[in-house]
Amino acid sequence: TQLLEQSPQFLSIQEGENLTVYCNSSSVFSSLQWYRQEPGEGPVLLVTVVTGGEVKKLKRLTFQFGDARKDSSLHITAAQPGDTGLYLCASEGGAQKLVFGQGTRLTINP
Amino acid sequence: GAGVSQSPSNKVTEKGKDVELRCDPISGHTALYWYRQRLGQGLEFLIYFQGNSAPDKSGLPSDRFSAERTGESVSTLTIQRTQQEDSAVYLCASSFGTKAGELFFGEGSRLTVL
Repeated sequence: TQLLEQSPQFLSIQEGENLTVYCNSSSVFSSLQWYRQEPGEGPVLLVTVVTGGEVKKLKRLTFQFGDARKDSSLHITAAQPGDTGLYLCASEGGAQKLVFGQGTRLTINP
Repeated sequence: GAGVSQSPSNKVTEKGKDVELRCDPISGHTALYWYRQRLGQGLEFLIYFQGNSAPDKSGLPSDRFSAERTGESVSTLTIQRTQQEDSAVYLCASSFGTKAGELFFGEGSRLTVL
């Protein structure tokens, strides 16, 4: 089963700052998904990246997939309090099942 | 319904009791997943159903845990002889198709074992 390591585990910054969180594996990803989870809710898909070197933008969020497809990053520009949540990466862990990293818990302070 | 529905939303039980958690997936979704999320942690894979294939039970932590699914419909996760370490949020998700595509999650069932 593929293991996904996310860093940092916790991040607390001020509104308006930029940040980057990471998802890494020792194995090659077939594809990678990023989810955000808010308190009391289930995770919601933000983006799926498939091709090595791929960059996808979602408003102030930029997702990058490493050339070797073993790592991915999420960069948030000018963070807002509404960006607060648990950011999870996920990939296929064999036999089509999806496995998740431990997540980065992000807090944006007003 | 429009989304994945889970019940109960909250369950408090005494150590040693059995509990059943229910998941109604999105209609037409062939894949159904159960995950466990301990406080402040990520998602721990428990079990995966795909259509009428044999389920992938590789994530079930002990033989006290079992799950069933009726066709491509409702699923029930049963925990027998609950222990305090079973306290967690149990999340159900469904997806369309046979590849690991987008998962749609329910809001979870929060289990507290006293």
